[in-house]
Order: sequence, then C-alpha cells, then structure tokens
Amino acid sequence: DTEVTQTPKHLVMGMTNKKSLKCEQHMGHRAMYWYKQKAKKPPELMFVYSYEKLSINESVPSRFSPECPNSSLLNLHLHALQPEDSALYLCASSYVWRETPRSTDTQYFGPGTRLTVL
Amino acid sequence: GQNIDQPTEMTATEGAIVQINCTYQTSGFNGLFWYQQHAGEAPTFLSYNVLDGLEEKGRFSSFLSRSKGYSYLLLKELQMKDSASYLCAVKSDYKLSFGAGTTVTVRA
Repeated sequence: DTEVTQTPKHLVMGMTNKKSLKCEQHMGHRAMYWYKQKAKKPPELMFVYSYEKLSINESVPSRFSPECPNSSLLNLHLHALQPEDSALYLCASSYVWRETPRSTDTQYFGPGTRLTVL
Repeated sequence: GQNIDQPTEMTATEGAIVQINCTYQTSGFNGLFWYQQHAGEAPTFLSYNVLDGLEEKGRFSSFLSRSKGYSYLLLKELQMKDSASYLCAVKSDYKLSFGAGTTVTVRA
C-alpha cells in the first residue's frame, strides 16, 4: 500500500481566511513533504519534515505554516494568502529522508488539494 | 540550483516505443526518479536509478549515466492510458528537483 491521502480535494478561500490542508499516510514513513505545483509547471518543494521535525523550509512565505503533529499526519496552515498562491498543493512521504542513496527514500505523492485564492 | 532538461512534447502510436531523454547538471547527486502525472492528478512513481545502468519494470525501463548526467525512460508497447506527463526528478543534497515534464500523446 503506497497511499497518501489529502483533504480537502478542492478549497476556495478569500485573502483574509484561515484554512488548513491535511495529509495522512499509514505506511510507517518518517519523512513527509509539501510541494506546490502551478499549472503546466513541475512540483516545487516547500517543506521537508523528518521524524516530525522541520528539516527544510525552501524560503516559503510565513503565510504558509506547516505542522507535523505525529509521524502519520502533516498539516499546512494557510493565512492571508494571495491570488498567486492558487495552485495544486501536493503532499508526499518516504520511508526516510536523509539517507544514503536507496530506494527507501522514494517519495509517494497524495492526490493533492487544488487551492483557489480569490 | 539544478538544471534539468527534457523535451516538452512527444507523440507516438499505440503499440510503439517512446524514449524520453533527461539531462541534468547538479551537485551532490543522490539519485534520479521518473514519475508519471496525468492531468490534474498526483505524480505516480515509475522508477529509480542511483547507479549507472538499466532498470526494467514491466513495460517501463529507465537508464542512467552519471558521468554524462543523462537518463532516459523507455516506454514499450504504448497504450492509450500512457498519455500523460513524464517528470524526470533529480535528488541532490537530499532535495528532489523536477524537470518541466514531457507530455506524451499516444495516438490510435
């Protein structure tokens, strides 16, 4: 089973709203990731969590706030977003993150949340 | 940063073979991945190469030459459902960077 689930599938929010995206995996993976993908562009890394600790923040604006409550869950809290933040937000997980090259760091992606900011 | 190049589009006939090339320039190579992405859906893992050579998985094969900074994904016996975007992704400094993707269209 290589399933990563994300909720909601679609989200429309105003620039003053606060919302959260949720990601869950039950594969025993200890690394989780947030990516942002604009239309017809490749995914871009936002955050990496390894063993529930934030390991990488790719200079993401503070209006995006990640949280990893436990090893199976990853949240992305959104506040005061801009219309240009509209995109597909993908969550991924892998067994480990910072490991010597092995297939155990293969990332498996969830279906994404399509976010529209009005 | 990473520089990952792959063709924008390719078209092939059902039952044929298509080869998608990917060249990259990177520091600290940790592995190369190929993902398939249908429109509006999440990327699906296809293959992983960290050592030089060919990895075969059913109809899909992937090749890597680290000295040349080159990989290809070979799709055999093309089916209509293979119409999708194929993303070459390089792991460097333990971060995954994606190429822009190659849109493959399979025609009957």
